[in-house]
Amino acid sequence: NAGVTQTPKFQVLKTGQSMTLQCAQDMNHEYMSWYRQDPGMGLRLIHYSVGAGITDQGEVPNGYNVSRSTTEDFPLRLLSAAPSQTSVYFCASRGGQPNSPLHFGNGTRLTVT
Amino acid sequence: AQKVTQAQTEISVVEKEDVTLDCVYETRDTTYYLFWYKQPPSGELVFLIRRNSFDEQNEISGRYSWNFQKSTSSFNFTITASQVVDSAVYFCALHSPFGNEKLTFGTGTRLTIIP
Repeated sequence: NAGVTQTPKFQVLKTGQSMTLQCAQDMNHEYMSWYRQDPGMGLRLIHYSVGAGITDQGEVPNGYNVSRSTTEDFPLRLLSAAPSQTSVYFCASRGGQPNSPLHFGNGTRLTVT
Repeated sequence: AQKVTQAQTEISVVEKEDVTLDCVYETRDTTYYLFWYKQPPSGELVFLIRRNSFDEQNEISGRYSWNFQKSTSSFNFTITASQVVDSAVYFCALHSPFGNEKLTFGTGTRLTIIP
């Protein structure tokens, strides 16, 4: 079982460039989410999805887009990268019960210059 | 609004000492769930434990123990006889399932075990 797979592991972008962070899970989880981790700020929710075709904003959604066309995939798009989006990004999924723990991908370290 | 406070930003202890990581939470919901995650230097996030709000039993797993007290809104984590492998950032998190699916994380405590 691969769990949650994130790609790429590292990425450097120039201001204004766009890119997509990929996330896939093979646990048939309905719930998926994206977090960003910044020093001293913990993990902050960007967007989440409770099932295919359903997405919603989290705490820090500006500058990011998501879609959920399948249960397995939940890509995160940066349309026009900004230095403030330099961060470590984590994708996560969980089962349907509210006390189900999150399963995290290994993270993507993004630098925007 | 819900909030998780981990007031200890960094802790260093000598190996074999016991250490307690504090977590204080705020929520208006009567049903909620608390979690602890570990982030070792390699960077991945690993689930350690969960606790439902209606279950105040403390839990012990090997050298790890968790003390949940609703009266003080705390969910503290103790490592007994610490080891170098315990060095990591530890996050406490709160999930109130009503209204939205947001899981709120604390800012984390960086624990360093000195050999």
